[in-house]
Amino acid sequence: NAGVTQTPKFQVLKTGQSMTLQCAQDMNHEYMSWYRQDPGMGLRLIHYSVGAGITDQGEVPNGYNVSRSTTEDFPLRLLSAAPSQTSVYFCASSDRDSFTYEQYFGPGTRLTVT
Amino acid sequence: GIQVEQSPPDLILQEGANSTLRCNFSDSVNNLQWFHQNPWGQLINLFYIPSGTKQNGRLSATTVATERYSLLYISSSQTTDSGVYFCAVGTTTDSWGKLQFGAGTQVVVTP
Repeated sequence: NAGVTQTPKFQVLKTGQSMTLQCAQDMNHEYMSWYRQDPGMGLRLIHYSVGAGITDQGEVPNGYNVSRSTTEDFPLRLLSAAPSQTSVYFCASSDRDSFTYEQYFGPGTRLTVT
Repeated sequence: GIQVEQSPPDLILQEGANSTLRCNFSDSVNNLQWFHQNPWGQLINLFYIPSGTKQNGRLSATTVATERYSLLYISSSQTTDSGVYFCAVGTTTDSWGKLQFGAGTQVVVTP
């Protein structure tokens, strides 16, 4: 199993540009989430999904869109990048049927908006 | 929403020392997990522990749900234990995919 994969690892955008951060998991997990991590802070939830076709907002959803057309993929779209979106983005997945409900994280995408 | 507070914010240990990290939360939870973020940024799940006690090697964790806190114990610390330790919780009204993170405890283990 590759686990949770994220692409790209690094990205630099100019203000106003749009882009999609990719996230995929091969563990057949129902739950997937996107978090952002800013310096000195914990992770904050952006959007999450409890299964294909179902998404919901987290704590900081503004400026981001998600969709979940398959169990495996959960892309995060930045509509019009702003310097405040400079952050490290983590995708995570967890198994609804797992007794442990552990969240597995991808390696992260470091995004800089200039 | 639920508040999650971790203490201490920073901890410097000599190799071989023991330590206790604390996580306080403001509401009932049905999901509590401890994570370690290594110096390269990778987040690893250490424990799923909404109540009770678990041990995994030199690490152990205890959650007292009725008193709304959890403790992570590191014994005989090693330099590889360095990094940030996060506590994250999910409340009884939230989905399993939705976790609220604390700000973390930065641990540095010196040789």
